[in-house]
This record gives sequence, structure tokens and C-alpha cells, in this order.
Amino acid sequence: DTEVTQTPKHLVMGMTNKKSLKCEQHMGHRAMYWYKQKAKKPPELMFVYSYEKLSINESVPSRFSPECPNSSLLNLHLHALQPEDSALYLCASSQDWQGSGKLFFGSGTQLSVL
Amino acid sequence: DQQVKQNSPSLSVQEGRISILNCDYTNSMFDYFLWYKKYPAEGPTFLISISSIKDKNEDGRFTVFLNKSAKHLSLHIVPSQPGDSAVYFCAASARSGGYQKVTFGTGTKLQVIP
Repeated sequence: DTEVTQTPKHLVMGMTNKKSLKCEQHMGHRAMYWYKQKAKKPPELMFVYSYEKLSINESVPSRFSPECPNSSLLNLHLHALQPEDSALYLCASSQDWQGSGKLFFGSGTQLSVL
Repeated sequence: DQQVKQNSPSLSVQEGRISILNCDYTNSMFDYFLWYKKYPAEGPTFLISISSIKDKNEDGRFTVFLNKSAKHLSLHIVPSQPGDSAVYFCAASARSGGYQKVTFGTGTKLQVIP
């Protein structure tokens, strides 16, 4: 199984809503990531979890709250988002966070904030 | 500061011909270089990588060349097939605070014409 599964595929939310994005992998990878990608832009790193601990937070606003319940699952909790947060949110995993940078990505959640 | 640059936003190639995608970088600390392919509505998929100590890596129809003195790498696809039509991201990674940080280029959209 070389798949990273993300749900939901699409999400529309208002600025006062609370929602969560979910990500799952069963490759035994010990590093998991959240990336944000705007149209015609490269993916931008948001968070890195290594061995279920938050290791990197790229100065992401607190309205984004990551959670790693176990080694296979990664969540991103969303609250009070702004329209400029509309983007494709990608989850990725790798064997560990000190490898070559080879990442396995999910299909992403296309988020629209109204 | 865009450390990884893909100066061609798009490229069209006839089926069966060679596709050459180019990438330039500025950070001499990068120790791995990777190419990812992305279809619409899907996450990026790892294609091929090269260590900074090598100048060529080949995998089937895909070959990556690295010119460290010029800080330039290229991806060659021979022969090109219609299924290769996608956005190709160049990426580079370097150790940063104990973590292998991946930096992506802006992507090149390849169209292979049957």
C-alpha cells in the first residue's frame, strides 16, 4: 500500500465554521506533512510531524491546528478561516524526516472559504 | 527568494520526441534534487531523484542530469507519451535544523501532442 488518503476531496466553509481535514497512510512512514498549494504556485510547507510529534511549524496562523493522533493519521483542524486561505491542502508522508526529501502525497483537499 | 526556479511555465512536445524540462537553483547546500509529476485534481507523485554527488540518474524513459557548477538540472523524457502530459515540479532538499527541507519550483506544464 503506497497510498496517502485524504478526506474530504472538496470542502466549502464559512468564516465562522470549524472543520477538519483528515489524512491516513499505512506505509509505516514516521514523518507526515501538511502543505498548502495555491493555483499556479508550488506547494508550501505548513507543518511537519516526526514520530507523532510536531517538529516544524512554518509560522502558520493559529486558525490552522494540526494533530497527529497516531503514526498513521494526521488531521488539520480549521477554525475562523479567511477567504485567502482557500487553496489545495496536501498531506504527505516520508519514511522519516531526514531522508532525501522523497514524499508521498495524497490527492489533496480543495478548500473554499466563503 | 525563489531558490528553485522553473523558467518555462509550459512546454509542448510531439509524441515520440524528447521532452526536456529545466530547473535552476541558487542554494549550494541542496544535497538532493527530485522531480514530481502532478495530474489535475491529484497530489504530486514522485518521479525520479538525484543526489548532489552524481551527475546523472536514469529510470526507464526518465533521466535527470545535474550540472552543479551551473546550478542547473534537467529532466529528459524519451520517448514522450500523451500520458506524460502533466505539471512537473522540480524540487530540492537540504538539511535544515535536523530536518530535510524540500523546496519546490513553480512547475512546468508539459503537453505531449499525439
